[in-house]
Formats: sequence, C-alpha cells, structure tokens
Amino acid sequence: EDKVVQSPLSLVVHEGDTVTLNCSYEVTNFRSLLWYKQEKKAPTFLFMLTSSGIEKKSGRLSSILDKKELFSILNITATQTGDSAIYLCAVGQGSGSRLTFGEGTQLTVNP
Amino acid sequence: DGGITQSPKYLFRKEGQNVTLSCEQNLNHDAMYWYRQDPGQGLRLIYYSQIVNDFQKGDIAEGYSVSREKKESFPLTVTSAQKNPTAFYLCASSTLAGSSYEQYFGPGTRLTVT
Repeated sequence: EDKVVQSPLSLVVHEGDTVTLNCSYEVTNFRSLLWYKQEKKAPTFLFMLTSSGIEKKSGRLSSILDKKELFSILNITATQTGDSAIYLCAVGQGSGSRLTFGEGTQLTVNP
Repeated sequence: DGGITQSPKYLFRKEGQNVTLSCEQNLNHDAMYWYRQDPGQGLRLIYYSQIVNDFQKGDIAEGYSVSREKKESFPLTVTSAQKNPTAFYLCASSTLAGSSYEQYFGPGTRLTVT
C-alpha cells in the first residue's frame, strides 16, 4: 500500500526559530514530491521536487529530496507568525495525475 | 481571473438527505479532483477525472458520486449512504501536459450534517 508519512504532526515554536518538517514515502513508481501550505482553506503550492539532492528555495523556505532514503525535508528559517499553517506533503506516481497526501504538519509560530 | 470556485462555502443538511457540492474551473485544465479533509488529517482522494465523461474512484469513494459532463465542472454528490459526511471538501484541478503534478485548489466547502 502506498504511504506518505509526515512528522512531526504538530509543532509549536517562537518567532525567529528555524524548523524542519519531514516527509517520508513508500510508493510505487515515484515521480515527484510536492509541498503545500494550507492556512485556512485552499492549500497553496510551495515546491515540486523530482531530483535527489537539488535544493529548491523560495525566500526563507527551502526543500530537498533524497530518493535513496525516500524522504524530503522542508526548512523554514527565521519563522514568522504568518508561517503558522498546515504543511502538506504529497507524492505523484506513475503516468497518472493523482497525488497521495500525508497527514500534514500543523505549525504554530508564537510571537 | 483564472481559478477554481466552489459553492457554497458552508452547507448544512439533515441526515438522510443527498447534497451536491459545486466545483467550477476556468483554467482549461483537463483533470479535476475531489478531496475530503477531516481535523488532524491530510487530504484523502474521493474521485478524480482526467477527461470529460470519465472518472475514477479514489481511496474513499463509498457514499459519493460525481459527474463530468463539461470540462469546467465536476460536481460531487454526498449521498445518504455516506456514514460520516461532515467534513471539509476541497476540489482541485491540474493540467495533464508535461510532467507537472501541481494541483490548484478551490476555497473548499464545509459540510455539516446533523
């Protein structure tokens, strides 16, 4: 059975802290791994990773994929209260378009 | 403005009634998806469609039905057979061109059944 597991499930930090969110997967025919941020309603796209070892970066957020060890991390440096959200990891498989999502990590950044 | 719209934002129904959630997109995307999200859980796939007049069951299709008569529209019906219908429902769409798996999400419908 295909599985995407995120850890931790919830995390509370103070503004300015650096956080690392984890996503591991066991799926057949892996194609890509995606990260989304969900604040109140619609998840918004952050990164798509397809190659091992190549870091994707956007401002204070960065992500990297390890296809040998089957995991990805999402780093957020100098956290702000606006980073409070659920962070979702999803995996795309095969030639189809469907994604398999993990449970999400609820991040709370306190002032 | 291109995007995905879902209506209504909040929906209340009595147990035993069928209810239909609307999802429309003007992104010219071929594929559309319905997800369910419960508190503390990620997104679980209900149904998806990659072409008009065709759709596939996701991981939790029991108690739900869909149709795809137009490219832009993918309504979801929550039937009375769905045992725990109260949840947050998200619709998404994506292109099938190239190798992008990125899905674009609507604002969601929160369904409460009492």
